[in-house]
Amino acid sequence: GAGVSQSPSNKVTEKGKDVELRCDPISGHTALYWYRQRLGQGLEFLIYFQGNSAPDKSGLPSDRFSAERTGESVSTLTIQRTQQEDSAVYLCASSLALAATDTQYFGPGTRLTVL
Amino acid sequence: GQSLEQPSEVTAVEGAIVQINCTYQTSGFYGLSWYQQHDGGAPTFLSYNALDGLEETGRFSSFLSRSDSYGYLLLQELQMKDSASYFCAVRDDTGRRALTFGSGTRLQVQP
Repeated sequence: GAGVSQSPSNKVTEKGKDVELRCDPISGHTALYWYRQRLGQGLEFLIYFQGNSAPDKSGLPSDRFSAERTGESVSTLTIQRTQQEDSAVYLCASSLALAATDTQYFGPGTRLTVL
Repeated sequence: GQSLEQPSEVTAVEGAIVQINCTYQTSGFYGLSWYQQHDGGAPTFLSYNALDGLEETGRFSSFLSRSDSYGYLLLQELQMKDSASYFCAVRDDTGRRALTFGSGTRLQVQP
């Protein structure tokens, strides 16, 4: 596709349930990022993939959060035992991972609401 | 750690010029980026400064002063469609590729 896509666009779940969020990056982009954006706030880094490896997981807020990437393409962010404070928009971005500008291209996000 | 400060809101009228400032504190510095985000939309890249000076792209310009840890985004000939949130973001030079974002400046353009 032409851009980064994410699914679902909206997800409503009950507290304690697990959710999976999917990201399809731009074809050929080796770097993939997950960010979280709470209402009216800036973007909070969660995890970065280079290829299928995650050299930087420093932003994951707890061990309930995990992510994987396969085929140097699709990534899935999993949140286990969701809590109300997990409610946010989860944004995925990809880039060519060039050393200089390395522009990140964002998907439309998944709006997660935990009831 | 890293932190960025930018004003929370700016209001301007159509046709005017507006400047959105960003000051940052980082343990190292690689470059300052600006992103635009319309309500409910994805952040989109506007500009990147790695060196001191002004970068111009159409109606938008971005400035960086590394010695002052300061940058700004300048929007000229404002249009209603420019109403959005604008985020500055930094990448440090530790090899960490993730961006650290400011909390955003909400720009309202009035007729």
